[in-house]
Amino acid sequence: DAGVIQSPRHEVTEMGQEVTLRCKPISGHNSLFWYRQTMMRGLELLIYFNNNVPIDDSGMPEDRFSAKMPNASFSTLKIQPSEPRDSAVYFCASSSRDKRNTGELFFGEGSRLTVL
Amino acid sequence: AQKVTQAQTEISVVEKEDVTLDCVYETRDTTYYLFWYKQPPSGELVFLIRRNSFDEQNEISGRYSWNFQKSTSSFNFTITASQVVDSAVYFCALSFPTSGTYKYIFGTGTRLKVLA
Repeated sequence: DAGVIQSPRHEVTEMGQEVTLRCKPISGHNSLFWYRQTMMRGLELLIYFNNNVPIDDSGMPEDRFSAKMPNASFSTLKIQPSEPRDSAVYFCASSSRDKRNTGELFFGEGSRLTVL
Repeated sequence: AQKVTQAQTEISVVEKEDVTLDCVYETRDTTYYLFWYKQPPSGELVFLIRRNSFDEQNEISGRYSWNFQKSTSSFNFTITASQVVDSAVYFCALSFPTSGTYKYIFGTGTRLKVLA
C-alpha cells in the first residue's frame, strides 16, 4: 500500500514567492495533519482536518499560511508570500479513527522548503 | 492544557550500553494515547509504539521496551544494548480527543547518539 505522499520533496524559492505543498493521505484515513519541523521549535502542528473539514488551525503562524482539503485524497498547504523564516521541513500525516480508538500517525517523507 | 515534555535534549552513549529516554505528559483527559516515533538521519518519521490510557502494561519489542506509569504521567522508552543504528531523534507524542476527533502533539525530541 502506498503511504502518505508529499510533493515536492525539496523546494527552493525566493522571498515573496508563493509556495504550494501537496499531500495525498493514505486511502481510507479520515484525519490529515500538517506539521512544520525546525531546529528551534521541533514539530509544530499547523492545522488538521477530519473528514476533509478543518478542525483547528490555531497553529498556523500567520495569515500568509493557508491549507485546504478539497477531497479525501488531497490537501495543500500554501504560503503566500513566503519569507526566509518559513524555511523548514513540512510534514503531512494521516490517521484513521473510529468511535473506539485512534490510530497512529503515518507521516509522509516531508517537503524541505528553503526560502532565500 | 495538554503538553509533552522530553527534558533530555541530547544523549550520547557507547554501543552496547542501555539508555532510557524520558517522556512526561500532561492532560486532563481520561482517554488518550501515547506514542513514540523515531527520526533517523534520513529524516522520515517512523512509528514505534502506541499505548492507550487504559493499558499500563509495559511492552517489550526486541531491544526496545516502554514503561507507562499513569501515576507519574510518564511514558519512558528504554533501548537495551544500544547499537549505532539506534542513533536518531526520538519523539514522544500525545493524542487526545478534541472537537470530535483527536489531536496529536509532540515533545521536542531527544537526539540519541550511539558511539561505536
